[in-house]
Amino acid sequence: NAGVMQNPRHLVRRRGQEARLRCSPMKGHSHVYWYRQLPEEGLKFMVYLQKENIIDESGMPKERFSAEFPKEGPSILRIQQVVRGDSAAYFCASSPDSRRAEQFFGPGTRLTVL
Amino acid sequence: AQSVTQLGSHVSVSEGALVLLRCNYSSSVPPYLFWYVQYPNQGLQLLLKYTTGATLVKGINGFEAEFKKSETSFHLTKPSAHMSDAAEYFCAVSVDTGGFKTIFGAGTRLFVKA
Repeated sequence: NAGVMQNPRHLVRRRGQEARLRCSPMKGHSHVYWYRQLPEEGLKFMVYLQKENIIDESGMPKERFSAEFPKEGPSILRIQQVVRGDSAAYFCASSPDSRRAEQFFGPGTRLTVL
Repeated sequence: AQSVTQLGSHVSVSEGALVLLRCNYSSSVPPYLFWYVQYPNQGLQLLLKYTTGATLVKGINGFEAEFKKSETSFHLTKPSAHMSDAAEYFCAVSVDTGGFKTIFGAGTRLFVKA
């Protein structure tokens, strides 16, 4: 049973470009969480999604950031018009349902904005 | 609202010495508590978790933690440090809000001296 997969592992973008980060949850998991880790800091919650639904996006910046988890395919975190401050590691986690507190983390995508 | 405080952003111990990483939490409802370890440029690996039941929980790699409700603490210990324990450690709290949003502490970087 493969773990949580994220791609790409490393992503370089110039200011103003778009970044798309993908997350495939563990098999059988229908809940996905995105976190951001800035250098030398802990992880900050961004958004919680179930299939086709955003449950909690209280940690998402109001502009330029969006997330989706379609019925088929991976969850996507999209950052439009990236700025240098978006440079961070973005981690995805999954859980099988809303009754389980334990989340399984992917290896992360490290975004660098030039 | 929930929060996590990790005392000491850096902890240094000698190989073979006791490891103690401190974590205090704040939660208005019974929390689920976790310790994760992160090695450089990698994702988070679950060390141990407290959900309900026994307050002393044992995890992987010889680590354990004790949930003390009266002190709102969940300190991580290991009797004898090994060089391979050098990493970043994160304490986290989750509460059930119709799904689990995990709040992380800022992390403690553990250094192990030969």
